[in-house]
Amino acid sequence: SQTIHQWPATLVQPVGSPLSLECTVEGTSNPNLYWYRQAAGRGLQLLFYSVGIGQISSEVPQNLSASRPQDRQFILSSKKLLLSDSGFYLCAWRPRAFSSYEQYFGPGTRLTVT
Amino acid sequence: AQKITQTQPGMFVQEKEAVTLDCTYDTSDPSYGLFWYKQPSSGEMIFLIYQGSYDQQNATEGRYSLNFQKARKSANLVISASQLGDSAMYFCAMTEAGTYKYIFGTGTRLKVLA
Repeated sequence: SQTIHQWPATLVQPVGSPLSLECTVEGTSNPNLYWYRQAAGRGLQLLFYSVGIGQISSEVPQNLSASRPQDRQFILSSKKLLLSDSGFYLCAWRPRAFSSYEQYFGPGTRLTVT
Repeated sequence: AQKITQTQPGMFVQEKEAVTLDCTYDTSDPSYGLFWYKQPSSGEMIFLIYQGSYDQQNATEGRYSLNFQKARKSANLVISASQLGDSAMYFCAMTEAGTYKYIFGTGTRLKVLA
């Protein structure tokens, strides 16, 4: 069966510090991968998605970036965090085939920028 | 452009009763998928149910059913026999065929009363 991991689970970082959040998927190959952010009490905002190694699509211009160095690894980064980057970051995956629409989420990382 | 609207920020229901959570959507693509997710206080996103735009029958998964009214562009979630564990945020989401992107509504917070 497939599983998705995210770490760290929680993170407190000062403004201006760098960020690296990691997501890995097990039990599947060639997944589509996603990063979402959820501000407190709000819905999910799609940040990035990837359909393959090195292929990243950005949905929202911001000081965040994403990379996919391996098929089942997706990394969210920032060089300098802003207060507005605080939130709950969720990684998700979906099978590549268009016949399957279901999207599965990781446990999330709660980021507080101080 | 795709749009998902959830107009109920919060709902209360008595234990063992049924509850309907509203969701309307907008898309110009004839082929799309609609989803409902549950988010408990722990933050994980739990997939509940999926409805394809060409599906003739409403989707059902245990106590969850999706009331799909295509002409009205609505995809309401019905939870039968509510349980205390159903207390959570519920998100409606959609994706269009041929894209890899998903959009989410703002969510409805459901509280089940004993």
